[in-house]
Amino acid sequence: DQQVKQNSPSLSVQEGRISILNCDYTNSMFDYFLWYKKYPAEGPTFLISISSIKDKNEDGRFTVFLNKSAKHLSLHIVPSQPGDSAVYFCAASRTGANNLFFGTGTRLTVIP
Amino acid sequence: EAGVAQSPRYKIIEKRQSVAFWCNPISGHATLYWYQQILGQGPKLLIQFQNNGVVDDSQLPKDRFSAERLKGVDSTLKIQPAKLEDSAVYLCASSGGETQYFGPGTRLLVL
Repeated sequence: DQQVKQNSPSLSVQEGRISILNCDYTNSMFDYFLWYKKYPAEGPTFLISISSIKDKNEDGRFTVFLNKSAKHLSLHIVPSQPGDSAVYFCAASRTGANNLFFGTGTRLTVIP
Repeated sequence: EAGVAQSPRYKIIEKRQSVAFWCNPISGHATLYWYQQILGQGPKLLIQFQNNGVVDDSQLPKDRFSAERLKGVDSTLKIQPAKLEDSAVYLCASSGGETQYFGPGTRLLVL
């Protein structure tokens, strides 16, 4: 049972444009959400997170939006850069449990 | 600050052989996790330690997988005997709060 879903396996964007990566979850108990970036042959690197008490969190070029009623979150990257090309994983957890449930990832390619 | 260290980075074994992976978490992180990532999927939790105690091992195939964190710092994950379907990347992560930080992983190929 996949509790966190990333329905787009890949996304290509021109350099300088916005990248929008989407994630859906089914478990209403999740209250903490994270995005990780993964380069080949490396472990996932923490990018940005959001608590369910917020609907937006921004860190530089990265913004995560959370829509609790739709059980949906998205990661916006503006402007996109070639170095952003990687696989992006959405993850979720619930307070007190800490173990993360991951989506299957979206491969972002930023075209120079 | 040093990150999560794992070794070996790559391992090739034949089915029915045994293999062990090692993880050294970020200094001061009480919680340590082992994940299995099969090609094309997201990481899946195998076991979670809080200091040297197991918090969650519900997804660990205990007939062949074992893990320990004897002194509450380093951890080892063992597979014995290995099956073809164990081919995956084994990721170790640690946390001192809500955010988990991952090591580079060990890529295991079982032939």
